[in-house]
Amino acid sequence: AQSVTQPDIHITVSEGASLELRCNYSYGATPYLFWYVQSPGQGLQLLLKYFSGDTLVQGIKGFEAEFKRSQSSFNLRKPSVHWSDAAEYFCAVGSHSGTYKYIFGTGTRLKVLA
Amino acid sequence: DAEITQSPRHKITETGRQVTLACHQTWNHNNMFWYRQDLGHGLRLIHYSYGVHDTNKGEVSDGYSVSRSNTEDLPLTLESAASSQTSVYFCASSEGNTPSDEQFFGPGTRLTVL
Repeated sequence: AQSVTQPDIHITVSEGASLELRCNYSYGATPYLFWYVQSPGQGLQLLLKYFSGDTLVQGIKGFEAEFKRSQSSFNLRKPSVHWSDAAEYFCAVGSHSGTYKYIFGTGTRLKVLA
Repeated sequence: DAEITQSPRHKITETGRQVTLACHQTWNHNNMFWYRQDLGHGLRLIHYSYGVHDTNKGEVSDGYSVSRSNTEDLPLTLESAASSQTSVYFCASSEGNTPSDEQFFGPGTRLTVL
């Protein structure tokens, strides 16, 4: 069955430190992969997406993600975290098996220390 | 600017009551979705629609219904609210109906069923 796993429920980093949020997926074909961010009290906003081509994709707000087929991973990174990055981050895979839908991970809540 | 809105933003109701959550988008998107967000589950798809008069069940559709009478609106109805339906509900829309299409999310409705 298709699934998305975000192994870290909470992550705390200091402002200015680097960040990596992990995402692993289980999917039979080449997946469509997304990272969304949810700020407190807000809806989800797309950070970046990967469909094909260059496995390192750039997104908004200085985020990037790398697709590694051999590891079934799509980890999100940022070289220097800002206090405003504190939010919840969701990885998702777009499924075209049967019906179109997103499968979301359970999310990683990021706390940034000043 | 185009947007997607949800109302009410917060709702408290009693077990057994019928509740309708509104979703309105001005993107002119054909595709609309309803998700619920629960701790430890991420976002799960309730219902979705590919166009006017089209509705489809998602993975957690029991106890919910939707109808699509125009392009802009997809109201979600809880026929007889249960405490298990206490959650945050998100509406989303997309231009296309392929897994590669970005979904745009509303700000969410927090529903409490007492």
